[in-house]
Amino acid sequence: GAGVSQSPSNKVTEKGKDVELRCDPISGHTALYWYRQRLGQGLEFLIYFQGNSAPDKSGLPSDRFSAERTGESVSTLTIQRTQQEDSAVYLCASSWGGNNEKLFFGSGTQLSVL
Amino acid sequence: RKEVEQDPGPFNVPEGATVAFNCTYSNSASQSFFWYRQDCRKEPKLLMSVYSSGNEDGRFTAQLNRASQYISLLIRDSKLSDSATYLCVVNNPGAGSYQLTFGKGTKLSVIP
Repeated sequence: GAGVSQSPSNKVTEKGKDVELRCDPISGHTALYWYRQRLGQGLEFLIYFQGNSAPDKSGLPSDRFSAERTGESVSTLTIQRTQQEDSAVYLCASSWGGNNEKLFFGSGTQLSVL
Repeated sequence: RKEVEQDPGPFNVPEGATVAFNCTYSNSASQSFFWYRQDCRKEPKLLMSVYSSGNEDGRFTAQLNRASQYISLLIRDSKLSDSATYLCVVNNPGAGSYQLTFGKGTKLSVIP
């Protein structure tokens, strides 16, 4: 596609349920990032994938959060046993992977945990 | 000390004004610096990269001071369409990762 695609755009779930968020990066982009943005707050780094290297998971807030990426394509972010504090917009971004490369963001998934 | 700090604002300025934002970062090993713009309820978009020598793009000028570890963004002749939140972004090198850390942003409102 022309840009970074995220799905679903909105997700409402009950506390304790698992959710899976999907990101389709721009074709050819080797780097992929997940960020979380709570209402009125800044972007919080979660995880970074670069090619076939081990991902940088240093931003994942707890072991309930995990992410995978198949090669240089789709990534999924999974949140297990969701809590109300997980409510936020989850943003995915991709880039060509080199230093100083521009990040292209998807429009995000708005997650609401009731 | 937070990794990337910005004055949250809001900055309320009249059309045509000049406004400047500053951002400080804590990791002296950082090598890449950017300003992104985020409109309300939208995703961030790159405004400009920041180079050591300073760089200008139309009404926007970015500067980097490595010794003091701060970055600035100057907007001249403000337009209504400049109203947005401006995000300072810095890479955090380490363990081979090119992690990018975003500041919380400075909100700008340009008033007619």
